[in-house]
Amino acid sequence: KNQVEQSPQSLIILEGKNCTLQCNYTVSPFSNLRWYKQDTGRGPVSLTIMTFSENTKSNGRYTATLDADTKQSSLHITASQLSDSASYICVVKYGNNRLAFGKGNQVVVIP
Amino acid sequence: NAGVTQTPKFQVLKTGQSMTLQCAQDMNHNSMYWYRQDPGMGLRLIYYSASEGTTDKGEVPNGYNVSRLNKREFSLRLESAAPSQTSVYFCASGGLENTGELFFGEGSRLTVL
Repeated sequence: KNQVEQSPQSLIILEGKNCTLQCNYTVSPFSNLRWYKQDTGRGPVSLTIMTFSENTKSNGRYTATLDADTKQSSLHITASQLSDSASYICVVKYGNNRLAFGKGNQVVVIP
Repeated sequence: NAGVTQTPKFQVLKTGQSMTLQCAQDMNHNSMYWYRQDPGMGLRLIYYSASEGTTDKGEVPNGYNVSRLNKREFSLRLESAAPSQTSVYFCASGGLENTGELFFGEGSRLTVL
């Protein structure tokens, strides 16, 4: 069983609409959780980092949440734009500097 | 400031041929990584180097070798390519520094016929 599960696997949304991506993890002890954005044909780029004490953090139209008790994180995209079409990857740092990757949420924004 | 640079960006090989993917970073990171990305599988760790002079196997090391040439450079070698190694390969650095942000290269798309 994958240690980091992301849902939905893929979704299509209309430009201007909002969407929420989910990341559930089982690894411990927890250090931090990052959301990366990967544009087609490019390498992933970090969007935001969540540490144990943080519940919510915003980066422009992206808002990440973390519930360390239930081991869940979400990434909310507000007023989506065509440039938000990408894969969003959840990566959890845990233990002795170990990293666990989710398989990504594929988002397609259509006009 | 180039960040992480990978070469080549595209390569087509025949089964049994060998090749080396090159990676260099200019961020003075100790740690460097090689991942492969396949549809539906996400990023999987092949090998990593925690510091100059050390390398360790990741999740999927079979069929690959690596060399940490110096602090900047980390290469990945396929000695006898197989069709199962058709993938997109990403080099990254920085996972063991500070908060563990990974800085990725642009990827190398390899096709083995």
